Amino acid sequence: DAGVIQSPRHEVTEMGQEVTLRCKPISGHDYLFWYRQTMMRGLELLIYFNNNVPIDDSGMPEDRFSAKMPNASFSTLKIQPSEPRDSAVYFCASRGGGGRNTGELFFGEGSRLTVL
Amino acid sequence: QQQVKQSPQSLIVQKGGISIINCAYENTAFDYFPWYQQFPGKGPALLIAIRPDVSEKKEGRFTISFNKSAKQFSLHIMDSQPGDSATYFCAASWHTGKLIFGQGTTLQVKP
Repeated sequence: DAGVIQSPRHEVTEMGQEVTLRCKPISGHDYLFWYRQTMMRGLELLIYFNNNVPIDDSGMPEDRFSAKMPNASFSTLKIQPSEPRDSAVYFCASRGGGGRNTGELFFGEGSRLTVL
Repeated sequence: QQQVKQSPQSLIVQKGGISIINCAYENTAFDYFPWYQQFPGKGPALLIAIRPDVSEKKEGRFTISFNKSAKQFSLHIMDSQPGDSATYFCAASWHTGKLIFGQGTTLQVKP
């Protein structure tokens, strides 16, 4: 069974450019999470979806960040315009369980973003 | 927004020793407390988890101790091995499914 798939694995871009990160959750999972990991701030929750609907986006740092989930098998995180301080590893994670809160998230391998 | 505080930031243990990582939380609405393990270049993976109505959970060499009144929980790794060298995150979840993490502890087990 394929796990959570993220792309690209690595992205190097220049300040001001648009960045789009992609995620395919595990089939059948109804929750999808986007996290950002940096040395300074650890693993920060940016936004999460339930049944394709954004539930909590309070962690999205600025209006430059946006996330969508057009269907159950695909989500994007977009940064426009990007800035050097956005450099981080971005993780997508999914979980199933319906209404039960098991807490077990399955993470992708991350997208390492470097903004020059 | 630091609702889960984790310590120490880094830990060095000799092979065969006990590794102990501590976490504290403020929000009594949390109802699930997992620990995740992360190796370099990989995403975190669930290691062990506990609910607040249980004081201890053990899986192999890994044990969670939970103190609800003190709002603290800890991970104990018995007989630590070099293969346990990784970053460990405690986490806390609301019933809504929202999950947040502590700052992480980098564990190095020396052979």
